[in-house]
Amino acid sequence: EVQLVESGGGLVQPGGSLRLSCATSGFSFNNHWMHWVRQAPGKGLVWVSRINRDGSSTSYADVVKGRFTISSDNAKNTLFLQMNSLRAEDTAVYFCARSDYGFDHWGRGTLVTVSS
Amino acid sequence: SYELTQPPSVSVSPGQTARITCSGDALPKQYVYWYQQKPGQAPVLVIYKDSERPSGIPERFSGSSSGTKAAMTISGVQAEDEADYYCQSADSSGSYQVFGGGTKVTVL
Repeated sequence: EVQLVESGGGLVQPGGSLRLSCATSGFSFNNHWMHWVRQAPGKGLVWVSRINRDGSSTSYADVVKGRFTISSDNAKNTLFLQMNSLRAEDTAVYFCARSDYGFDHWGRGTLVTVSS
Repeated sequence: SYELTQPPSVSVSPGQTARITCSGDALPKQYVYWYQQKPGQAPVLVIYKDSERPSGIPERFSGSSSGTKAAMTISGVQAEDEADYYCQSADSSGSYQVFGGGTKVTVL
């Protein structure tokens, strides 16, 4: 069974940093591109970032470019998102998702709250 | 930045047909995907590659795409189909993914 489990969310002050993790199991991690998608309270889904199979290529939404860094540890089947210079508008549930054709498996998300 | 446009809401009676549209300039070049999200849950892929249905998704869900417009249809809507639905695609280069703003389907 494919499983994705996010962790690392919490309350952080504006300007602070947080590192999210997504532990995966049940599939060959290095055969899939992986993504982070976020959803602010009561709002829609927003794509944040993606990383390719071997970690050699990444892409970011404009709103997080230069502040967030996506990475992966293929030996541990784990995806990461390092978030720096956090802003109030980064407050959201952050989902990790596997892509095959579309985002075919998702985690349950981890809540990040940026507030003083 | 690239955008996908969906109607904010669609209302439908049980047994009737709900159709949700999604428009974007790059849709002639990129596949469209559709997700269902119920409150407090992660999204679920219901349509991939414009019109394909993942295993386990009921046949009443169908998709189409032509030019800059795509659509997802729910035929014979059931109460359990009440949810938010999002279209998703990529920009023309394929480098960036984007979601539509979401459509809330209400079953009357």
